Amino acid sequence: SQKIEQNSEALNIQEGKTATLTCNYTNYSPAYLQWYRQDPGRGPVFLLLIRENEKEKRKERLKVTFDTTLKQSLFHITASQPADSATYLCALSNFGNEKLTFGTGTRLTIIP
Amino acid sequence: DAGVIQSPRHEVTEMGQEVTLRCKPISGHDYLFWYRQTMMRGLELLIYFNNNVPIDDSGMPEDRFSAKMPNASFSTLKIQPSEPRDSAVYFCASSFERGGHLNQPQHFGDGTRLSIL
Repeated sequence: SQKIEQNSEALNIQEGKTATLTCNYTNYSPAYLQWYRQDPGRGPVFLLLIRENEKEKRKERLKVTFDTTLKQSLFHITASQPADSATYLCALSNFGNEKLTFGTGTRLTIIP
Repeated sequence: DAGVIQSPRHEVTEMGQEVTLRCKPISGHDYLFWYRQTMMRGLELLIYFNNNVPIDDSGMPEDRFSAKMPNASFSTLKIQPSEPRDSAVYFCASSFERGGHLNQPQHFGDGTRLSIL
């Protein structure tokens, strides 16, 4: 069955460092991969979308890579700040299918 | 612009009662999704609609769950009868097909926290 794993439940990073989160998948050939941020008591908020034919996408301090050979996406936050503390979710979908399958999330804490 | 609006934000009810969750998507969006989030299972898609028509309800756990979208600006998720294992946070999300391109980002509401006693 399809499986999406995010590297760890919780990750603590020192402020100013780069935070790297991992999303691995098996038994899946997604055409799109999205990353969302979720704060306590709130709904997920979209951050970035990357397509299978794209290797890398950037938005301000955020960078996402998508390696379909390794079946892995890396999500980087550079110059991390305490305000970046949240749970980050990866989500996969197939071409032409709006159905998103979410990973279990990684709770990121940036330590001042 | 107003985002996705869900009501109520919190619902506590006794087992066996009917529960109705409500969602108003973002105006102009043509896809609407219902999700359930628990610690054990994470965020799971229950059902989604396109232009008010249900497209995929394979995630609906059982016949006690039903969802409707009578018009483009309103959807409901009903549980009847409710059971303690239905306790979770239920999210509604919407998106729109931009220029014929599918797989667009989804915009989530802040959810309904449901507790069945």
